[in-house]
Amino acid sequence: NAGVTQTPKFQVLKTGQSMTLQCAQDMNHNSMYWYRQDPGMGLRLIYYSASEGTTDKGEVPNGYNVSRLNKREFSLRLESAAPSQTSVYFCASSHDQGPNEQFFGPGTRLTVL
Amino acid sequence: GNSVTQMEGPVTLSEEAFLTINCTYTATGYPSLFWYVQYPGEGLQLLLKATKADDKGSNKGFEATYRKETTSFHLEKGSVQVSDSAVYFCALTSNTGNQFYFGTGTSLTVIP
Repeated sequence: NAGVTQTPKFQVLKTGQSMTLQCAQDMNHNSMYWYRQDPGMGLRLIYYSASEGTTDKGEVPNGYNVSRLNKREFSLRLESAAPSQTSVYFCASSHDQGPNEQFFGPGTRLTVL
Repeated sequence: GNSVTQMEGPVTLSEEAFLTINCTYTATGYPSLFWYVQYPGEGLQLLLKATKADDKGSNKGFEATYRKETTSFHLEKGSVQVSDSAVYFCALTSNTGNQFYFGTGTSLTVIP
C-alpha cells in the first residue's frame, strides 16, 4: 500500500499563477483533508471532504478550491497564487470522521514569488 | 472554541534523558487527544491517542495521560534516543471529528 500520495513534492509559482495539488489514497477512506503548515502556527485545516461528493470549508479556505474527484482523490487548487500562500501543504485521510487516526501524505512545499 | 497550546521549542536533550513536552487544550464537549510525530521531510504519523478522561495512550516508550481536571495531555518518555529527534504535535478533535486542531509543534533534538 502506498498510503497517501501527493504530487508535486516541490513547486515554485509566480504571483497570479494557478496550480492544482493532487492527493490520492489507497486505503478506501471516506474522509480526506487539506492542511497547510506554517512556521510557528502548526497545521491549519483548509478544506475537508467527509465523503465522496461533499466538501466543506475549514479554518483557512480563502484563496483555495477543492474537488473530491472520486473516493480516492482530493485535489486542492490555487486559482491566483499569492506570496501568503507560500507554505507546506499536507493531504490526509481517515476512515470516517470522529476520533479516528488521520494518515498524512509527505507534503508539497510551495513557494510563491 | 477549540485550541491546543504546547510548549515552545526547540528542545535539545542528551541520549537517555527524560522527556516531557507539555500540552494543554481548550475544547467544548469531550474531545479526543492525540500526539503526532513528524520526522524530517515526512508527513505526520500518529504516535498515540486517548479518547476519554484518565485514558493513557502509549507507543514506542512514549506515554500521555488525558487529564480533564487540568485540561492537559503531556507527552513523556523515560529515556530518549537519537532516533526520537523529530517535531511533535499535540492535537484534538471533537467526537464528530470534523476538524483536528493542532498545536504549533515542538522540535526535539537528541544528541549522543
